[in-house]
Amino acid sequence: RKEVEQDPGPFNVPEGATVAFNCTYSNSASQSFFWYRQDCRKEPKLLMSVYSSGNEDGRFTAQLNRASQYISLLIRDSKLSDSATYLCVVNMGAGGTSYGKLTFGQGTILTVHP
Amino acid sequence: DGGITQSPKYLFRKEGQNVTLSCEQNLNHDAMYWYRQDPGQGLRLIYYSQIVNDFQKGDIAEGYSVSREKKESFPLTVTSAQKNPTAFYLCASAAYSGANVLTFGAGSRLTVL
Repeated sequence: RKEVEQDPGPFNVPEGATVAFNCTYSNSASQSFFWYRQDCRKEPKLLMSVYSSGNEDGRFTAQLNRASQYISLLIRDSKLSDSATYLCVVNMGAGGTSYGKLTFGQGTILTVHP
Repeated sequence: DGGITQSPKYLFRKEGQNVTLSCEQNLNHDAMYWYRQDPGQGLRLIYYSQIVNDFQKGDIAEGYSVSREKKESFPLTVTSAQKNPTAFYLCASAAYSGANVLTFGAGSRLTVL
């Protein structure tokens, strides 16, 4: 089982649609969770952190379910500009060392069409 | 503006040649990282450095080497021992080791002919 696993998609949705992605992680000791966005042939950029209580940033909502070991990203009212690859990132924890390992999922491709 | 500069953006290499990818940051970050990205796969950690003159192997270090002689610079050498070097290479930095937010460079795309 992969440490961090995402449905690769692609998800093809019309403008205005609501779309949700899930990401599962294998290490129950994982400490921190994030969504990064990567445009085609560009570098990843932090979209949002995922907090235990869930958090919202405009049209984007992130949630964490520790019991089932998954995080989710919900995008409401999709825009053409939301088309990108969304990477799930998990800090697996350092186990006593100073480096907390960040593990990336393979990404979920989203295409929003007119 | 502060950021990370990677060069070259595109690089072509013949089999058997070593190549060095440059990564420079002016963010005054202590930690720097090299990742490799292949189509349909997530980023995989090659090497990381928590502080100047120190670096550690990541998950896929074989066939790669790095140095960290200056805080601003973390070059990656792809050696001829790397069996499948064609990939997109991303350099990143963080304010300190263990920080969760990474700033990435624009990447270097290496193709072996």
